[in-house]
Amino acid sequence: GAGVSQSPRYKVAKRGQDVALRCDPISGHVSLFWYQQALGQGPEFLTYFQNEAQLDKSGLPSDRFFAERPEGSVSTLKIQRTQQEDSAVYLCASSPRQGSGRAFFGQGTRLTVV
Amino acid sequence: GNSVTQMEGPVTLSEEAFLTINCTYTATGYPSLFWYVQYPGEGLQLLLKATKADDKGSNKGFEATYRKETTSFHLEKGSVQVSDSAVYFCALTQDTGGFKTIFGAGTRLFVKA
Repeated sequence: GAGVSQSPRYKVAKRGQDVALRCDPISGHVSLFWYQQALGQGPEFLTYFQNEAQLDKSGLPSDRFFAERPEGSVSTLKIQRTQQEDSAVYLCASSPRQGSGRAFFGQGTRLTVV
Repeated sequence: GNSVTQMEGPVTLSEEAFLTINCTYTATGYPSLFWYVQYPGEGLQLLLKATKADDKGSNKGFEATYRKETTSFHLEKGSVQVSDSAVYFCALTQDTGGFKTIFGAGTRLFVKA
């Protein structure tokens, strides 16, 4: 597609429910990033893939968060047993190669845990 | 570790006023510096970038100069418009094994007609 696509755009989950957020990067982009943006804050890094390899997951806040990119294109961020503090916008970004220095962002998924 | 600090908002200006949003960074080596903009209801968009010291990034009348001596990347525009109302994020990217982007907290700009 023309840009990074994320789905769903909005998700309401009951506390304790598992959720899966999808990211379709720009075709051919090697690098893929997930960020978490709390209300009124800047995006915070969660994890990074180069193709299918997850090279950095230092930003994942707990072991309830898991990300995968099995074929080096589409990625899924899964959050198990959601908590209220997980409520945020989850942003996906891709870039054409490692070290390109610029990321293209999707519109994000707004997750609300009630 | 790497970090970005930008001035707190909101910033409220009248149309045609001069805009400055301050941004300073902490990083080892030579990061690339960016300004991203987030319009209401939309995703993050790259506004401008600079990849080395003394580079000036510019776009849509906005400018920022990479100042290594002061570790700054202040955003300026000579005459703002109502349509510039948005949240502006200063950011850096550096090769620390992953090229992740570090963002500032964002500065909300309101421009009044």
